[in-house]
Amino acid sequence: GENVGLHLPTLSVQEGDNSIINCAYSNSASDYFIWYKQESGKGPQFIIDIRSNMDKRQGQRVTVLLNKTVKHLSLQIAATQPGDSAVYFCAENTQDQGGSEKLVFGKGTKLTVNP
Amino acid sequence: DAGVTQSPTHLIKTRGQQVTLRCSPISGHKSVSWYQQVLGQGPQFIFQYYEKEERGRGNFPDRFSARQFPNYSSELNVNALLLGDSALYLCASSLWAEQYFGPGTRLTVT
Repeated sequence: GENVGLHLPTLSVQEGDNSIINCAYSNSASDYFIWYKQESGKGPQFIIDIRSNMDKRQGQRVTVLLNKTVKHLSLQIAATQPGDSAVYFCAENTQDQGGSEKLVFGKGTKLTVNP
Repeated sequence: DAGVTQSPTHLIKTRGQQVTLRCSPISGHKSVSWYQQVLGQGPQFIFQYYEKEERGRGNFPDRFSARQFPNYSSELNVNALLLGDSALYLCASSLWAEQYFGPGTRLTVT
């Protein structure tokens, strides 16, 4: 089935620390995953994506790791800043036989960065 | 370049009324998807449109409908509003697999 969830609903870190946000997915056939950041009152903002033929992908201060064996995804944020405070969602991109692509989201992890 | 735009920003309706939400995709994007986000949860897929054709539909009642215009903009219509339809309605546009979201329309049904 399609089920993308997050292990922790909230995460609190000190400014300058590294943050790790985890995500579990259940559809082993999924081949594309995206992390979104959503600030209060705004739409989700694309952060980074990864395809299933990769284990790791790095962006600016962010790294996504994919472990297909245990169907686990994580987002690492280096040197976390107050502006990183937001709700983070992982999303699984699924495609049906008709060619429709949809994102299946988990509930999200609220990251709070303390100064 | 302008991102995905949505209108209106906020909307208050009463039960039983009908509502139309609008979305303009990023220039060059031909696919538009609609999502409903209830407070405290992740977005839920409603529709995907590509080249004015419905490509996919989520688990939503027939009260929800949508269409895409020749310029790739889209409208989401919801009839016979229920209190449970109160949510943030998000539009996302895509060229390939990456979907980029607009700011959403906050719908409150009283």
